[in-house]
Amino acid sequence: DQQVKQNSPSLSVQEGRISILNCDYTNSMFDYFLWYKKYPAEGPTFLISISSIKDKNEDGRFTVFLNKSAKHLSLHIVPSQPGDSAVYFCAAEGTYKYIFGTGTRLKVLA
Amino acid sequence: DVKVTQSSRYLVKRTGEKVFLECVQDMDHENMFWYRQDPGLGLRLIYFSYDVKMKEKGDIPEGYSVSREKKERFSLILESASTNQTSMYLCASSPGGIREQYFGPGTRLTVT
Repeated sequence: DQQVKQNSPSLSVQEGRISILNCDYTNSMFDYFLWYKKYPAEGPTFLISISSIKDKNEDGRFTVFLNKSAKHLSLHIVPSQPGDSAVYFCAAEGTYKYIFGTGTRLKVLA
Repeated sequence: DVKVTQSSRYLVKRTGEKVFLECVQDMDHENMFWYRQDPGLGLRLIYFSYDVKMKEKGDIPEGYSVSREKKERFSLILESASTNQTSMYLCASSPGGIREQYFGPGTRLTVT
């Protein structure tokens, strides 16, 4: 039973445009969410997080939005750059551990 | 910078062999984790540890065991490797009370 879902396995965006990556979760007890970025042959690196008491968190070109009623979060990247091409994982904090989504491969086209 | 290192980047083992994957972190983190990453399944937690000599099962502990004798080192053991354990294995650490995890580069294990 996948408690954290990323329904789009891949996404292609033109350089300079907005990238929107989506994540849905089923457990309303999750209270902290994170996004990680992973390049090939490297481990994931932390990108941005959000607590359930907020609905938005921004860090430079990256913004995460949380809609608790819909159990949905999204990562916006504006403007997208070729170096953003990677696999993005969302994660939700469960009891003493994280539950990761299946990942979305973002390709930013120059 | 936090550094998490894993003993091998690539490993090929035979079915039935005992396999040791080592992970070392250099930032005195309390928490350490082992995940496996498979296409279409994301990262799945195998085991984690919140302190030396302590371990907790994750979501998929079957066929694996762990050892944490020192704070900086967390080992994953495949007692008898099987082909369905062919995967990318990722180690991570985090300080106590801090939510972000720092990952190592991964070990791609192939069991033939």
